[in-house]
Amino acid sequence: AQRVTQPEKLLSVFKGAPVELKCNYSYSGSPELFWYVQYSRQRLQLLLRHISRESIKGFTADLNKGETSFHLKKPFAQEEDSAMYYCAKVQGNTGKLIFGQGTTLQVKP
Amino acid sequence: NAGVTQTPKFRVLKTGQSMTLLCAQDMNHEYMYWYRQDPGMGLRLIHYSVGEGTTAKGEVPDGYNVSRLKKQNFLLGLESAAPSQTSVYFCASSLGDGREDSYEQYFGPGTRLTVT
Repeated sequence: AQRVTQPEKLLSVFKGAPVELKCNYSYSGSPELFWYVQYSRQRLQLLLRHISRESIKGFTADLNKGETSFHLKKPFAQEEDSAMYYCAKVQGNTGKLIFGQGTTLQVKP
Repeated sequence: NAGVTQTPKFRVLKTGQSMTLLCAQDMNHEYMYWYRQDPGMGLRLIHYSVGEGTTAKGEVPDGYNVSRLKKQNFLLGLESAAPSQTSVYFCASSLGDGREDSYEQYFGPGTRLTVT
C-alpha cells in the first residue's frame, strides 16, 4: 500500500529559527505531492504543490526522488506559521490523496 | 464563490441515531471526497465520487454511506452512529479534468461530530 510518512508529531522552534518538516513517501513512478496547512480549527489550505515549484509564505519544498522525500523548509520561522502541516500524495487517477499523520509546528516567541 | 461548504458545523448524536452531512461546492468540480480527521491519524478517506451519480469506497468506509445525485452536492450518511465515529469530517473537491492542477483539493470548513 502507498504511504506518506511524517515522522515528527510535533516540531517546536523559536521565532527566527530555520524549520524543516519531513515527509517521505512510498515510491510509485512519478509522484504528485502537496503540502497542506491547517491553522487552529480551520479548514485545510493548499500550501505547496511540487509541480509548481513556487514559494508560498516563505516555504519551499523540493522533491528528492532518490530519497523519496518532499521536505518542507523555511529559513526563518514566524509565530504565525504555528499550525498543523500535512504532506499528501496523489494515488491513482481518481485524485485520491494519501495524507501523512501531520506535524504540528509550534513557533515560540 | 463560496467554495466548499458543509452543514452542519457541529452535531451531537446519541449512539444509534442517524444523520446526514451535506457538502456543497460551487466550482463545477467533478471529484468530491469525504475524510475524517482524528488525532495522530491524519486524514483518512471515507468515500469519494468521480462524477455525478458515482461513488466509491475509500480507506475507512464502514458505517457510512454516500450519495452524489447532483454534481455540486455530496452527502455523507451515518445510519446508526457509534462512539467510534466521533471525529471531524471534512469534505473536499477537485477539478478532475486531467489538467496539471486538476488534483488539487479544496476543503470545506469541517463538521465536528460527537457520538455519546
